[in-house]
Amino acid sequence: NAGVMQNPRHLVRRRGQEARLRCSPMKGHSHVYWYRQLPEEGLKFMVYLQKENIIDESGMPKERFSAEFPKEGPSILRIQQVVRGDSAAYFCASSPPGQGETEAFFGQGTRLTVV
Amino acid sequence: SQKIEQNSEALNIQEGKTATLTCNYTNYSPAYLQWYRQDPGRGPVFLLLIRENEKEKRKERLKVTFDTTLKQSLFHITASQPADSATYLCALDIRQAGTALIFGKGTTLSVSS
Repeated sequence: NAGVMQNPRHLVRRRGQEARLRCSPMKGHSHVYWYRQLPEEGLKFMVYLQKENIIDESGMPKERFSAEFPKEGPSILRIQQVVRGDSAAYFCASSPPGQGETEAFFGQGTRLTVV
Repeated sequence: SQKIEQNSEALNIQEGKTATLTCNYTNYSPAYLQWYRQDPGRGPVFLLLIRENEKEKRKERLKVTFDTTLKQSLFHITASQPADSATYLCALDIRQAGTALIFGKGTTLSVSS
């Protein structure tokens, strides 16, 4: 059973371009979470999704950021018109159905660099 | 707003000693609290989960306590080894409230031989 797969591992974008980050959860997991980690800072929650539903997006910036978890295929975190401040490591985690009392499994992250 | 604080950004100890990391939180009553380990350039890895009705949980050299009155969790590594050097993250599990795991900034532990 493969772990949480994120791709790409490294992504370089010029200011104003779009960044698409992909996350394939572990098999059987229906809950996906996205986090952002800036250097010397902790993991900041962005969005929590279940298949075809956004459960909590309270950590997402109001503009330029969006996320989806379609019925088929990976979860996508999309950042439009990237700026230098978007440079960070973006981690995806997944967990099985049900609430609480279960660990979250993290991917290795996508390191976005905006030049 | 919910707030999670881990007592120090860095902790340096000698091999063989016990490392104690602190996690304090405010404005929430989580049903569970979790601890993760993160190595540089890697994603966090789950270590332990403790429920609100549990006082203590152990796993090999690791021990976690959870005091819901003080709103505090302590994470202990006994007989520490250089391989224990990493950043340790505390996370409030508030998924029952329809949201997610909320993490502290972490404490970076360095164990010297």
